[in-house]
Amino acid sequence: DAKTTQPPSMDCAEGRAANLPCNHSTISGNEYVYWYRQIHSQGPQYIIHGLKNNETNEMASLIITEDRKSSTLILPHATLRDTAVYYCIVRGLYNFNKFYFGSGTKLNVKP
Amino acid sequence: EAGVAQSPRYKIIEKRQSVAFWCNPISGHATLYWYQQILGQGPKLLIQFQNNGVVDDSQLPKDRFSAERLKGVDSTLKIQPAKLEDSAVYLCASSLVKGRVIQETQYFGPGTRLLVL
Repeated sequence: DAKTTQPPSMDCAEGRAANLPCNHSTISGNEYVYWYRQIHSQGPQYIIHGLKNNETNEMASLIITEDRKSSTLILPHATLRDTAVYYCIVRGLYNFNKFYFGSGTKLNVKP
Repeated sequence: EAGVAQSPRYKIIEKRQSVAFWCNPISGHATLYWYQQILGQGPKLLIQFQNNGVVDDSQLPKDRFSAERLKGVDSTLKIQPAKLEDSAVYLCASSLVKGRVIQETQYFGPGTRLLVL
């Protein structure tokens, strides 16, 4: 059901940028790319979303390729508190569009 | 603003017993979701409500699971009878709706961790 492919795990040194890739080769024109993360024993937390332009907020940056078949979430200065499972999701904005979580990427930020 | 509230936080039951979970969404959020998250997997949508109507329940095992959202605010999810494979975290989330468009952010509660023995 999930429309995205992510690596199961990644490591990142504290203070360095974490770049998390996501493949969504079957994305349709009206579907957005969303990123959520889930810290251990908590509910998922929204990070960022975008359609085709790159987006930035206080948490992260989202880079979407021109063909929209893949994207990268960038945490510019990873901290130990960024250790979590990161989910890349594609969906439309209407209330009948389903929201599928895949298995995500476990990001391990190391001191 | 207050977040999504869920109770209980933990529940241990024996198989074939029944259990119920409660969710109170963020005030004003018309859309409410119940997810099941099995250990090591991403959340799986069980049912989606808009106000007190069901938008999607295609992945809800209707022979044993039921959910309701009376008055379009609080919601309960029930399992009867429970099976071993129902051991999971049950997450509730809500989001704002303007017309037919769901605003991008789903706000999740802390979840209820269910263990079926």
